[in-house]
Amino acid sequence: DGGITQSPKYLFRKEGQNVTLSCEQNLNHDAMYWYRQDPGQGLRLIYYSQIVNDFQKGDIAEGYSVSREKKESFPLTVTSAQKNPTAFYLCASSLVEAVADTQYFGPGTRLTVL
Amino acid sequence: ELKVEQNPLFLSMQEGKNYTIYCNYSTTSDRLYWYRQDPGKSLESLFVLLSNGAVKQEGRLMASLDTKARLSTLHITAAVHDLSATYFCAGRRMDSNYQLIWGAGTKLIIKP
Repeated sequence: DGGITQSPKYLFRKEGQNVTLSCEQNLNHDAMYWYRQDPGQGLRLIYYSQIVNDFQKGDIAEGYSVSREKKESFPLTVTSAQKNPTAFYLCASSLVEAVADTQYFGPGTRLTVL
Repeated sequence: ELKVEQNPLFLSMQEGKNYTIYCNYSTTSDRLYWYRQDPGKSLESLFVLLSNGAVKQEGRLMASLDTKARLSTLHITAAVHDLSATYFCAGRRMDSNYQLIWGAGTKLIIKP
């Protein structure tokens, strides 16, 4: 079955630690995205990538970093510079050259700072 | 700058009733998306509306788009408990990066 997987499902971080969230897709989509969701709010874009080895900052990129070495994978690192990282993180992917470029989402990672 | 506002943000209704969720956006957007999210879960795509006057229906849900009024609606007909969820709309930016701007979501609770 094609889809998007994220791991881990739950992640706990201590102050000053960097942590990496995994996102893998087998939908053969070119574009991948990372969003942050806080309780009672909509999604905010952290980073996105439309092609391997290239990515762009979204609206809230400070304190985060990404890489796109393979088409299937788009890991997100939450660095110690992110002051309030506790949130639900969602990865998505989509076609780029499509009339309707619907984004498909993974199951999410819930990050908590201890 | 594109902004997307949904209302209401919270809606509690009885089974069998009809209701509408509204999604207003501030500047031109060429398409409008509706998604559903169950508690603690990911987002599921419901509809993509591509042009003025577009209407799409799936079961008890119907979405429409009025680009002149910068308004999309999600209408629920004869609500059932299984439709309880949070519904998000998102508009696509028309600038160079074509990214989505999301509304805050409407939490819908349908009581038996």
